[in-house]
Amino acid sequence: GENVEQHPSTLSVQEGDSAVIKCTYSDSASNYFPWYKQELGKGPQLIIDIRSNVGEKKDQRIAVTLNKTAKHFSLHITETQPEDSAVYFCAATDQTGANNLFFGTGTRLTVIP
Amino acid sequence: NAGVMQNPRHLVRRRGQEARLRCSPMKGHSHVYWYRQLPEEGLKFMVYLQKENIIDESGMPKERFSAEFPKEGPSILRIQQVVRGDSAAYFCASSPTGGNYGYTFGSGTRLTVV
Repeated sequence: GENVEQHPSTLSVQEGDSAVIKCTYSDSASNYFPWYKQELGKGPQLIIDIRSNVGEKKDQRIAVTLNKTAKHFSLHITETQPEDSAVYFCAATDQTGANNLFFGTGTRLTVIP
Repeated sequence: NAGVMQNPRHLVRRRGQEARLRCSPMKGHSHVYWYRQLPEEGLKFMVYLQKENIIDESGMPKERFSAEFPKEGPSILRIQQVVRGDSAAYFCASSPTGGNYGYTFGSGTRLTVV
């Protein structure tokens, strides 16, 4: 099955700086890569996703890049704000075949005001 | 649209008791997924259900755990004879179609076994 690894496990940045979280996956058949943000006491919320037919996707201050050859993908948050503080999870799946998402172990991001 | 509703938010059970976790999907969603999150870990898939059918239970422990999604009412995750290792956050997600695009997660049920 798919194995997703995520780094770093914790990340602290100053407000206004950028944050980068990286994930690798093992199954070359995986073709859908969502990112979730989980705030304390809440469920994960989808913030951005990318499919394997594109290499980059951007939504305001958030961007995701995908390198299928190297089997890794990254989340980039620019101009970080204190409300970006949360745990971020990457996930991967073969959307056409699998019924479930395979999650990374999470990155706890702290934005220092 | 109230989103995915899970209850209770917190549940405390003594070892050996039964735990019942409920999940009402978003309106119009007929596909339900249950995930478990252990402390400091990512979410692990447990089971995928449609109305009155278990589609994929490959992530469910073989014993003590069961799930259902009846024609009427919420989906239920049932854990019999709970043990300390069952302590975790259990999240339900729903989607309007099969596959895992368009997941919406609920806020979870935090189960503590004492």
